[in-house]
Amino acid sequence: DIQMTQSPSSLSASVGDRVTIACQATQDIRTYLSWYQQKPGKAPNLLIYDASKLEAGVPSRFSGSGSGTGFTFTINSLQPEDVATYFCQQYDDLPYTFGQGTKLEIK
Amino acid sequence: QVQLQESGPGLVKPSQTLSLTCSVSGGSISSGGYYWTWIRQPAGKGLEWIGRLYTTGSTDFNPSLKSRVTISVDTSKNQFSLNLSSVTATDTAVYFCARDRWETGGFDSWGQGTLVTVSS
Repeated sequence: DIQMTQSPSSLSASVGDRVTIACQATQDIRTYLSWYQQKPGKAPNLLIYDASKLEAGVPSRFSGSGSGTGFTFTINSLQPEDVATYFCQQYDDLPYTFGQGTKLEIK
Repeated sequence: QVQLQESGPGLVKPSQTLSLTCSVSGGSISSGGYYWTWIRQPAGKGLEWIGRLYTTGSTDFNPSLKSRVTISVDTSKNQFSLNLSSVTATDTAVYFCARDRWETGGFDSWGQGTLVTVSS
């Protein structure tokens, strides 16, 4: 299985800050990577697919980049409603696998 | 906009079979271009892909669960189902059904999730 490792596992930032989360794959997954936001008690919500493409209806302050084994997820100008856990997920090979999550809090 | 809704028992005894159904509305499960998928999440933990079904009836499963999992479809009811046999406490989790876009990737629609507890 392809292992996905996110860092950091948690972070605290202020409203208006730029936040960056990293995701590393154990093998080349090209750009077959998605990012999700999950709020407590809710299902994950797709934000980014194909490593850098913004899902329809998702605010433009969210972005993604990378290819191969290293990927980055960025929130520009953090908002209070962005408090959530964020997951990366690879879909290059079965079984699809997720990162362990990054819990984002507001300072 | 497509919506998914899980249903099934919230409590299952050890060694028995966990059975869940996902009802799809706002779109036909028979339309091409999507995989219909089950994912689970133990409390406070990450997400685990269980398996998926295509409209042709073909299936793929996580090797870690493959010997215990079946996924089936009832196109007349616009539903697909998960059966997980010989459950233990480690199968306790929130189970989600989701739609996976075949061409562009990403789980773009999810059910709200249902908690299944394995306990005697």
